[in-house]
Amino acid sequence: KNEVEQSPQNLTAQEGEFITINCSYSVGISALHWLQQHPGGGIVSLFMLSSGKKKHGRLIATINIQEKHSSLHITASHPRDSAVYICAAPRTGGGADGLTFGKGTHLIIQP
Amino acid sequence: DTAVSQTPKYLVTQMGNDKSIKCEQNLGHDTMYWYKQDSKKFLKIMFSYNNKELIINETVPNRFSPKSPDKAHLNLHINSLELGDSAVYFCASSQESGGLAGTDTQYFGPGTRLTVL
Repeated sequence: KNEVEQSPQNLTAQEGEFITINCSYSVGISALHWLQQHPGGGIVSLFMLSSGKKKHGRLIATINIQEKHSSLHITASHPRDSAVYICAAPRTGGGADGLTFGKGTHLIIQP
Repeated sequence: DTAVSQTPKYLVTQMGNDKSIKCEQNLGHDTMYWYKQDSKKFLKIMFSYNNKELIINETVPNRFSPKSPDKAHLNLHINSLELGDSAVYFCASSQESGGLAGTDTQYFGPGTRLTVL
C-alpha cells in the first residue's frame, strides 16, 4: 500500500511570497491528487495529475513520476490561500481503491 | 445544486448509542467512499463502494456498517458508539468504474462532525 509524506507540516508566510509544498509517495501511481481543506472544514480537489505540470490561476502542481515526488506551488500568495493542503495517492493499483493521504500542510498567509 | 451532501452536519450523542450518517451524490458517479478525519486532521479511508458493492473495508470495527441502497447513496451506521469514534466523517464520490485507481477526481461532502460524550 502507498505511503504519502508531506512537508512542511506547518508554514507561515507573508502575503506575496512564493509557496512550495512537497509530497513524496512510496508506490508507483496512476495519478496524484492535491486537495485543499478550508478553515471551515470543506475539502475540494485542486489538481489531479499523472505527469508534468498543471496550472490553475496562481496554483501550480508538478509531478516527477520517476522520483515519486510532487510539489504544489502558490505564486503571489494571499491570505485567502490560508488552508490545509493535502496530498493524496491511490492506495494500491486496483480500481475504486480510494486514496491514502499525507498529513497535510497547514498554511497561513499573513497580510 | 450540491454535488455530494451529508446529513447531519453535526451529531452529538452519548456513548453506547447507535447513529447513522447519510450521504447522497447527484453526480452519477459509480463509486462512493467514507473517510474519517481524526483530531489531528489526518484523513483515512474507511469504506469504498462501487455500484452498490463493497470494495474496501479498511480495518474498521464491525460496529461500523455502510449501506448502499442505490448508486447515489452510501449511508454509515455506527453501533455502540465509543469516545474514540469522535471525528469528522467525510463522504466522497468519484467516477471510478474499474479503471486505473485514483485517476478520477474525488468530490467530497461537507463532513459530519461526530462528538461522542
